[in-house]
Amino acid sequence: GAVVSQHPSRVICKSGTSVKIECRSLDFQATTMFWYRQFPKQSLMLMATSNEGSKATYEQGVEKDKFLINHASLTLSTLTVTSAHPEDSSFYICSATRPGQGTYNEQFFGPGTRLTVL
Amino acid sequence: AQRVTQPEKLLSVFKGAPVELKCNYSYSGSPELFWYVQYSRQRLQLLLRHISRESIKGFTADLNKGETSFHLKKPFAQEEDSAMYYCALKRSGNTPLVFGKGTRLSVIA
Repeated sequence: GAVVSQHPSRVICKSGTSVKIECRSLDFQATTMFWYRQFPKQSLMLMATSNEGSKATYEQGVEKDKFLINHASLTLSTLTVTSAHPEDSSFYICSATRPGQGTYNEQFFGPGTRLTVL
Repeated sequence: AQRVTQPEKLLSVFKGAPVELKCNYSYSGSPELFWYVQYSRQRLQLLLRHISRESIKGFTADLNKGETSFHLKKPFAQEEDSAMYYCALKRSGNTPLVFGKGTRLSVIA
């Protein structure tokens, strides 16, 4: 089956530093990847849609200058949390869509990255 | 706007009892509905989608457009069914999923 990886799985950083999270589709090419954020005991909230070779589309309320997304290849998207603050501490999950039959593109999820900002 | 509502945060049932996880949605167009499951310490994975109309691990879900519901059902719960279940909706095409808040199912032996 399709596999999506994320690196790192867990990161702890000081306030004011930047953190980069990678999302890779290991055995398929993903033209579109999505970044979600999940707070404890809450649902996944879409942050942005990342399309290979173009600028990401951010959801309302998500600061594009704070959450930089780069989708440089068909198998890699990165999310950089710039000047991180404690309120950015969260679980970040990416998903990648694998082209399927007809109009259905199944989404496969990464294992998530736990970010803790001290 | 698209919205998915899962009214129950936690559902506890005894092993062998029937299970129904509720999901209601609001969307003006024709949605695609999904159920995702997240077992302890594992990633989110697709359980089933309404288009395929299949039964996975004994679970079924029927899309009721009149009631805008997509409830997940299983006639006899098993301990290994204990997990977090998310109902999700998406528009057609290469679009993101909109998730409900999830329901934690706990199956008691």
